[in-house]
Amino acid sequence: GESVGLHLPTLSVQEGDNSIINCAYSNSASDYFIWYKQESGKGPQFIIDIRSNMDKRQGQRVTVLLNKTVKHLSLQIAATQPGDSAVYFCADSFNDYKLSFGAGTTVTVRA
Amino acid sequence: DAEITQSPRHKITETGRQVTLACHQTWNHNNMFWYRQDLGHGLRLIHYSYGVQDTNKGEVSDGYSVSRSNTEDLPLTLESAASSQTSVYFCASSEGGNEQFFGPGTRLTVL
Repeated sequence: GESVGLHLPTLSVQEGDNSIINCAYSNSASDYFIWYKQESGKGPQFIIDIRSNMDKRQGQRVTVLLNKTVKHLSLQIAATQPGDSAVYFCADSFNDYKLSFGAGTTVTVRA
Repeated sequence: DAEITQSPRHKITETGRQVTLACHQTWNHNNMFWYRQDLGHGLRLIHYSYGVQDTNKGEVSDGYSVSRSNTEDLPLTLESAASSQTSVYFCASSEGGNEQFFGPGTRLTVL
């Protein structure tokens, strides 16, 4: 089965607000976590990643938080824009190059 | 620019036919992966390869096979297509780390 799951299948957010997408994982030995964005009709695109020796990592308008105690991962998007509307996937990996994906959260940005 | 391509982008076939989906990457990556994507399941790993002549089964490998005769290509073959194999198929590659780069996908319909 899947080792990674997302809390909510859909998220609606007002343009300009911050978005938070949550993900729970089950394998306490996972050492790598990654977020992908998938727009309609396209392949997943890398957003940001984090290794298990870190708690937080920031990119451009995105922040990933990792809480290993409760096995929780989140993606924060600042000042959400219409172009952020997409499906977001988290994935994890343990000690190899394979990724295990969650089911995805569909983010819809309201104008 | 280096890229990963998939062909065909759309395919309709009949039950029982053999189908081969192509994946070609120009990054010279050693690691290549095939996933299928269905509603509610995210991305599920079918087969993967860590180099030429290396192939491994993923979580949903039944009815599929791959071969790796060179670094650039990992074709996916459905030996006898079934309606349950109607899906969107993604190829990905990686090198030296966990981040995978995805192709644009192939939408396969088995009638």
